[in-house]
Amino acid sequence: EPEVTQTPSHQVTQMGQEVILRCVPISNHLYFYWYRQILGQKVEFLVSFYNNEISEKSEIFDDQFSVERPDGSNFTLKIRSTKLEDSAMYFCASSELRRGGYTFGSGTRLTVV
Amino acid sequence: AQSVTQLGSHVSVSEGALVLLRCNYSSSVPPYLFWYVQYPNQGLQLLLKYTTGATLVKGINGFEAEFKKSETSFHLTKPSAHMSDAAEYFCAVSDVDGNKLVFGAGTILRVKS
Repeated sequence: EPEVTQTPSHQVTQMGQEVILRCVPISNHLYFYWYRQILGQKVEFLVSFYNNEISEKSEIFDDQFSVERPDGSNFTLKIRSTKLEDSAMYFCASSELRRGGYTFGSGTRLTVV
Repeated sequence: AQSVTQLGSHVSVSEGALVLLRCNYSSSVPPYLFWYVQYPNQGLQLLLKYTTGATLVKGINGFEAEFKKSETSFHLTKPSAHMSDAAEYFCAVSDVDGNKLVFGAGTILRVKS
């Protein structure tokens, strides 16, 4: 069964450093998403991406965050200057259809120290 | 705006007993509804989804859910719990534009032997 692949599975970074989280969505999917889950809390929407532009972003997705689909297969989330409160599990998801069933990756656990 | 309420942050059942996880939603438009399961240290796996049509939806691992518009509910059930069902379960609703999923807070299911 097709999968959404995320790398790395774990990342530890120092506060203030830039991190890039990588995702390879399912090849025929057109809609891409990033969500995060702070330990013990809800899964929260960050951003949706379609046709090479952001469709919607949450209030969490401030100027420190950016997304890119650099080569037609990868989908990346960049955090420019990480803060302690950015520590979370970050999930990438993709969907073939709008409002369809999303397929999630297994996540990247980001720890900011 | 869409929202999801999951009643019971923790549910404990005996092996072989009925599993019932409750989900109520709020949506100004016909909802698309989803149940995801998250095993420890893993990603989100789609259990089942309701979009249109038959209101009783069958998913993987013997789970099913019934969409009840009059009750704004989408409860998840399984006739007989298995130890391997122990996980966290998330109900989610797709927003109007399909740009994101709105998740409930999750219910941790414990299965006792």
